Amino acid sequence: QKEVEQDPGPLSVPEGAIVSLNCTYSNSAFQYFMWYRQYSRKGPELLMYTYSSGNKEDGRFTAQVDKSSKYISLFIRDSQPSDSATYLCAMTQNYGGSQGNLIFGKGTKLSVKP
Amino acid sequence: DADVTQTPRNRITKTGKRIMLECSQTKGHDRMYWYRQDPGLGLRLIYYSFDVKDINKGEISDGYSVSRQAQAKFSLSLESAIPNQTALYFCATQGAGNTIYFGEGSWLTVV
Repeated sequence: QKEVEQDPGPLSVPEGAIVSLNCTYSNSAFQYFMWYRQYSRKGPELLMYTYSSGNKEDGRFTAQVDKSSKYISLFIRDSQPSDSATYLCAMTQNYGGSQGNLIFGKGTKLSVKP
Repeated sequence: DADVTQTPRNRITKTGKRIMLECSQTKGHDRMYWYRQDPGLGLRLIYYSFDVKDINKGEISDGYSVSRQAQAKFSLSLESAIPNQTALYFCATQGAGNTIYFGEGSWLTVV
């Protein structure tokens, strides 16, 4: 079993839809969870960052962590064509330490159609 | 100007050739990383450096070497390129906490 599993998609939705992106993981020591967004031919950029279980909201984006189920989600409300990108989850057990232990999911490619 | 700059952005090279990918950053971060990204395999860590005197192997270091010439510069070398090293390569720096800042990537094709 891979440490982090993420459905690669592609996922295609109409503009305005609610999008749900998910990752599962196997290492119960993970405590810090991130979502990166990667536009085509660009480097990933940090979108959301959460610690332990719970929800975090930032505008149209909500990150959710369920440590008991080892499951994290990113919700996008009122999706826009500009949200079309690949979304990568990432997680680690250390804060501020070496990110040699940062594990990325393979990414889900999202397309939002006008 | 980008905070993390990679050169070249695109390169085609022949099997057996030596190639260097360069990275420079203006963020003042000590920690720097090299990743490769392949379709279906995601991001994988090649090497990382805590400072000029500290270099560490990542998940897939075989066939690669690195040099940290200064706090701001971290280069990746393929001593003898092979076709399965065709990939998109990213340099990254680490800021406060766990935030990673990526460059825009270097597309490398080995023929």
